[in-house]
Amino acid sequence: ETGVTQSPTHLIKTRGQQVTLRCSSQSGHNTVSWYQQALGQGPQFIFQYYREEENGRGNFPPRFSGLQFPNYSSELNVNALELDDSALYLCASSWGGENTGELFFGEGSRLTVL
Amino acid sequence: AQSVAQPEDQVNVAEGNPLTVKCTYSVSGNPYLFWYVQYPNRGLQFLLKYITGDNLVKGSYGFEAEFNKSQTSFHLKKPSALVSDSALYFCAVRDIFGSWGKLQFGAGTQVVVTP
Repeated sequence: ETGVTQSPTHLIKTRGQQVTLRCSSQSGHNTVSWYQQALGQGPQFIFQYYREEENGRGNFPPRFSGLQFPNYSSELNVNALELDDSALYLCASSWGGENTGELFFGEGSRLTVL
Repeated sequence: AQSVAQPEDQVNVAEGNPLTVKCTYSVSGNPYLFWYVQYPNRGLQFLLKYITGDNLVKGSYGFEAEFNKSQTSFHLKKPSALVSDSALYFCAVRDIFGSWGKLQFGAGTQVVVTP
């Protein structure tokens, strides 16, 4: 177990709705990264939050947004859901002061968009 | 731009035989390289990383990987595979100048170890 927890574990939404996914980082970690893993593919980087600010973003549209809180937990928000948003969403935490550190992943939130 | 290629969708090996999972990478500078494993319906678990130094890196569960700069490869190896090693394996790379949370993952290689 990595100590990174995500909620909810599974959820079903319909196209056009909005969703919020939550992540609690591992103790001592100040950075949270979010990834989208579509079925049969490797994880794709969405964005990273460090000290409550976004400081890196992948090739995802603005309807993917996030927050990081003072306790370093984080939310991923997706607006105007599309069918292709169906995926496993992974949160990973790390320590921003160590540039060579590995990421510690949670179990993921599986989103199904109907 | 950075990229990772895992040329094999699936690797089949008998228990007790050596296991190799291939990975090649492309980055503009020196790479940071990682291997992760994913069990069904689970998150990713860190196995090992190469940052600098010795080209042979040892990691969790008896796995090791060899960094080869001239061939831009970072193959994962295990001398004697176990049935419990059956899982999905991902190679990932990060540019040393990139965001530390931003990894570029390969498409994954499914490892099947038969008794």
